[in-house]
Formats: sequence, structure tokens, C-alpha cells
Amino acid sequence: GAVVSQHPSWVICKSGTSVKIECRSLDFQATTMFWYRQFPKQSLMLMATSNEGSKATYEQGVEKDKFLINHASLTLSTLTVTSAHPEDSSFYICSARGAAGGPNTGELFFGEGSRLTVL
Amino acid sequence: SQQGEEDPQALSIQEGENATMNCSYKTSINNLQWYRQNSGRGLVHLILIRSNEREKHSGRLRVTLDTSKKSSSLLITASRAADTASYFCATATGTYKYIFGTGTRLKVLA
Repeated sequence: GAVVSQHPSWVICKSGTSVKIECRSLDFQATTMFWYRQFPKQSLMLMATSNEGSKATYEQGVEKDKFLINHASLTLSTLTVTSAHPEDSSFYICSARGAAGGPNTGELFFGEGSRLTVL
Repeated sequence: SQQGEEDPQALSIQEGENATMNCSYKTSINNLQWYRQNSGRGLVHLILIRSNEREKHSGRLRVTLDTSKKSSSLLITASRAADTASYFCATATGTYKYIFGTGTRLKVLA
């Protein structure tokens, strides 16, 4: 199956710093990527939908200035947690949807996740 | 907000037994998918069932969908210790924006 790579897989940072997480589709073009957040032993909460070349669409309750999303190419979306605080500590997972018309049309593929710990 | 509710929240069975997990959702869907997540890892796609399908099989997995009841079930037959994981259903409403259920934590005892 198609591969989605997330980097870094884990990161520890000090409160007040910003952290960038990358999500790459390695062998297919992804017009749409989704960012999820997961707390321990809980489900995935959709944070935002990232569309290549346009602004991300944020879910209700998600601060767009806090969680900056950029989808500059068909293979890369980034999530930047700005001025991180301990309550931002979580597991962040991205998923990518194959571009329409391609061999992976519509399928969702998930990255391995990035664990953020803010001290 | 999450669309799917799964039940049970946790399930512990002996190796060789069957495991059944249920998922209920609230609005009309295009398709429903089941995913597996090992602790601290990403999600692995198991099976997709479309809204016009009622049952689907993949190896030891059997998924049913009842759109009139807005529910789906995942059956894992002849479970193995390696099946220990969390299982999530996810529903899509047309834009491939998938909303995940609350998940079932399955533990298979050897």
C-alpha cells in the first residue's frame, strides 16, 4: 500500500517554543491531508483538513493561530504547534488521501504519528 | 465532534475465540472503515464497506453494515495474541473527512 511518513516521530520541547511536524506521501500525490490529535486511550479527533494550495479548514474548537497548517505541495503538509504549552502534549497523526484519477484515488493512508511532549 | 460510538470499550478474550466489536454512527455515510492501532503507533486500514454493501470479508475479518440502524460490526475469528490492539471505526460523509469512533481496546490472552 501507499506510504505516509511523519517526522519527527517524537519530540520534546520547552513551553513557549514552536514545533513543526511534517507529513509526507512518499509514493503518491495527496491533494488532501488530515491532521488528527489523540489523547491517551482515546480516539482520534480531527483537527483540520489540509488542501494543497489553499487554506486549511479547521474543525470547531481548534485554534488556527495555534495550529498552523501548510500544504504547499502534493506530497507535503506541515503542522506547526506555535507557542506550545504542556496541554498541547499529545499524539498527532496525519493521513493523506490519494489524488483523484490516480491509482490511490480516495483511499486514506495514515502516518505513524508524532508524539509531542511539552515541558 | 466524534460521530461513532463503539462498544464495548474494552474486550478481553482467550486466544482462539472470536471477538466482536460494534460501531454506531449518527448521520448518513458514504462508507465506513475499520482501523487497527497498536499502542503508540499509527493506524492500519483493515477494511472498507460502502453504504450499499451489507457484509464484507477479509481473511479472518468480517464486517457488517446496517444502514437502517446506523451500525456496523467487526468480527475477528480465531483471534491471536497479535490481534491485541485498539480498533476504530471511521465514517465518511462525502468529502473523505473521516470521523473516528471511540474505539475498542482488544486484549487477546495467550
